[in-house]
Formats: sequence, structure tokens, C-alpha cells
Amino acid sequence: EAGVVQSPRYKIIEKKQPVAFWCNPISGHNTLYWYLQNLGQGPELLIRYENEEAVDDSQLPKDRFSAERLKGVDSTLKIQPAELGDSAVYLCASSYDSSKQFFGPGTRLTVL
Amino acid sequence: GQQLNQSPQSMFIQEGEDVSMNCTSSSIFNTWLWYKQDPGEGPVLLIALYKAGELTSNGRLTAQFGITRKDSFLNISASIPSDVGIYFCAGNYGGSQGNLIFGKGTKLSVKP
Repeated sequence: EAGVVQSPRYKIIEKKQPVAFWCNPISGHNTLYWYLQNLGQGPELLIRYENEEAVDDSQLPKDRFSAERLKGVDSTLKIQPAELGDSAVYLCASSYDSSKQFFGPGTRLTVL
Repeated sequence: GQQLNQSPQSMFIQEGEDVSMNCTSSSIFNTWLWYKQDPGEGPVLLIALYKAGELTSNGRLTAQFGITRKDSFLNISASIPSDVGIYFCAGNYGGSQGNLIFGKGTKLSVKP
């Protein structure tokens, strides 16, 4: 069974530029999560989807971050414009039920 | 955001030694999970615990769901070099609040 796929794996951009991350969850997993992981910290939730509905986006900085999961399968997370403090690893996870979440390899973003 | 108290922060041990780490929370969780993260990769699920007092093993790893439901422990027996990495605990309230709350991680180094 294929795991959670994320792309790109690495991204370097200049501040104020836009950036987008893509995630394809494990087949059959209706719940998709985007997490932010800063250096030396555990992941922190940005947004959770149940199928195509964003059921928890309370931690998503909506002034610059947006996400979509239009067909209830893959998802895109966007930052526009990026700031220096956005440098981090962006992790996507999926689950069949919320008790076990499986993570992708992450996208390491560096904002210069 | 909220994070769990995970200790120790780091451990330097000799190959063959046993390892213990723990996680505590001010809140009651319905599920405890333990993940391992290698550099440049996403967290990989090691063990999931669903009931207070539950003791579950996965090879040389053993984890327990604390009786108070506010803590969990992970033990690694007879450590080997490939055990090196960062171990994260995560708690889940369950139900509609299916988001994971993570600890800050325990960095394990194993000296051959």
C-alpha cells in the first residue's frame, strides 16, 4: 500500500513570493491533515479535512495561508506571501479513523 | 499551540542498553500514539494505545497507556544503532476532536 505522498520535498523561495505544497493521502483515507513542524518541535495542526470539508482550520493563519481539497482526495496548501518565519517543515497526514494518523515525508520550506 | 510534556529531551546511550521515555498531559486523552522521526522524513507510527492501563509491544518497543489517561511511557529494550532518531508522543481526544497533540520529542543517540 502506497503511503502519503507529498511534493515538493524541498522548496527555497524569497520572502513575499507565493508557494504551494501538494499532498496525496493513502487511498481510502477520508481524513487529511496539514501540520507545521518547526525545528526542535513536534508537529502542530494547521487544518483538518473530512472528505472535502475543512472541519478544523482554527490554527490556520488565514491572512496568508489557504488550503483546498476539492474532490476529497488530494490537497494543496498555499502561502501567499511567504514570510521568513514560515520556514519550517509542512507535513501532510491521513487517517481512516482519527485514532491513527499516517504522515508523509514532508516539504521542507526555506524562505530567504 | 498546546503540547505535551515529554522527557527526557535527549538521551545518549550505549548500544544494548534499555531506554525509557515518557509523556504527560494536563488533559485526559482517549488515545496515545508514539512516533519515530528520522532526519528529513515524516513521523512513522510505532505504537497506538486505546485503553487506560493498556500495555502494547512492537518488537523491542513497549508502550503503556497510563491509568490516569494523562500519561504514557515508551520503553526500548536492547537498543541498536538504527534506533537513533527523535521519538514523539501524541495524544488524541477522539470523537470530533480528532487532532493529535504532540510532545516536543526525545532525541535518542546510540553509541556503538
